[in-house]
Amino acid sequence: AQTVTQSQPEMSVQEAETVTLSCTYDTSESDYYLFWYKQPPSRQMILVIRQEAYKQQNATENRFSVNFQKAAKSFSLKISDSQLGDAAMYFCACVSPLNTGTASKLTFGTGTRLQVTL
Amino acid sequence: SQTIHQWPATLVQPVGSPLSLECTVEGTSNPNLYWYRQAAGRGLQLLFYSVGIGQISSEVPQNLSASRPQDRQFILSSKKLLLSDSGFYLCAWSVQRYTEAFFGQGTRLTVV
Repeated sequence: AQTVTQSQPEMSVQEAETVTLSCTYDTSESDYYLFWYKQPPSRQMILVIRQEAYKQQNATENRFSVNFQKAAKSFSLKISDSQLGDAAMYFCACVSPLNTGTASKLTFGTGTRLQVTL
Repeated sequence: SQTIHQWPATLVQPVGSPLSLECTVEGTSNPNLYWYRQAAGRGLQLLFYSVGIGQISSEVPQNLSASRPQDRQFILSSKKLLLSDSGFYLCAWSVQRYTEAFFGQGTRLTVV
């Protein structure tokens, strides 16, 4: 079984500043994927970034980047040049294809609510 | 491009009434389909998933059931709703042998 832990229920950042959201996970599989999803007030889940465990290079998508520490089972999300539109709930998630066949049974953390202030 | 439609957006139902939430995916064939529930202040919990027509796997024993009558249609049902069924329900899809799941806009269900 996999577990995902987000220990920061709420975070705040000023516009144009940088913020890092923390996530730790636990899995017994060697092959797995990690994701960050954003849930704005509309509540639709939006994929922000993904990281394959076999890749050492940290994933980057525009202002979003991750710090993937495989040995420590840590997967943090860094948001640079924060914008008002970044305000949302952010969920970390993990999936291991090996024990799910063709399905993507995501295990989610409890989320971090990010506030962006002027 | 692929799109996912989920309806209704909000629903208020009395205890003991039936439930039917529907989800359809466009622009892809033979997707994996999922129903998740999000309780207030918590993450998402996987309820059901389907890898093909008529194939349903349940993750959590509960008062709900799911069906997949067509390739790109996924339905969440209940014969008699309980107060504890209240929550935010999200349908999602993923490509076979791929890993990201893409979500619909969700249904806020309130059982009164």
